[in-house]
Amino acid sequence: DTEVTQTPKHLVMGMTNKKSLKCEQHMGHRAMYWYKQKAKKPPELMFVYSYEKLSINESVPSRFSPECPNSSLLNLHLHALQPEDSALYLCASSQEGQGTGELFFGEGSRLTVL
Amino acid sequence: GENVEQHPSTLSVQEGDSAVIKCTYSDSASNYFPWYKQELGKRPQLIIDIRSNVGEKKDQRIAVTLNKTAKHFSLHITETQPEDSAVYFCAASILPGYALNFGKGTSLLVTP
Repeated sequence: DTEVTQTPKHLVMGMTNKKSLKCEQHMGHRAMYWYKQKAKKPPELMFVYSYEKLSINESVPSRFSPECPNSSLLNLHLHALQPEDSALYLCASSQEGQGTGELFFGEGSRLTVL
Repeated sequence: GENVEQHPSTLSVQEGDSAVIKCTYSDSASNYFPWYKQELGKRPQLIIDIRSNVGEKKDQRIAVTLNKTAKHFSLHITETQPEDSAVYFCAASILPGYALNFGKGTSLLVTP
């Protein structure tokens, strides 16, 4: 199984809503990532979890709150977002420092903030 | 942090021609250089990668070269086909499996 599964695939929310994006992998990877991708732009790193601990936060606004409940799951909690936060949110996982080095990406959650 | 520059931003070739995309990086500590392909509406997927102890790597029609002294690496696609049309991203990281910093991407169009 080389799948990274993200839910929901699409999400529309208002600026006062609270919602969560979910990501799951069963490849035994110990590094998990959240990337944000705007149209015609590269994926932009937001957070990295290594062995379930937050290791990198790329100065992301606090309205984005990541959580890693266990080694297979990664969540991104969203609160009081702005319209400019509308983007494709990609989850990825890898065998940090080992194996092939490939980052396996999910299909993404496309978020629209009204 | 690492800064990856990628050129060109768009590339149009005829089917059967070769395509070359070039990237430069800033952090001499980077040792891992993958290339990802992202088709419209799809996830990025690894197509080839190279590590700093290797100067060139080939996989069928695609090849990557690395010049660590000059801090640049390139993707070469030969005998291009319409299904090669996509956005290609180069990236760099300290080690395989670590967080990637991506270049801005090259939109490749292969016309029949």
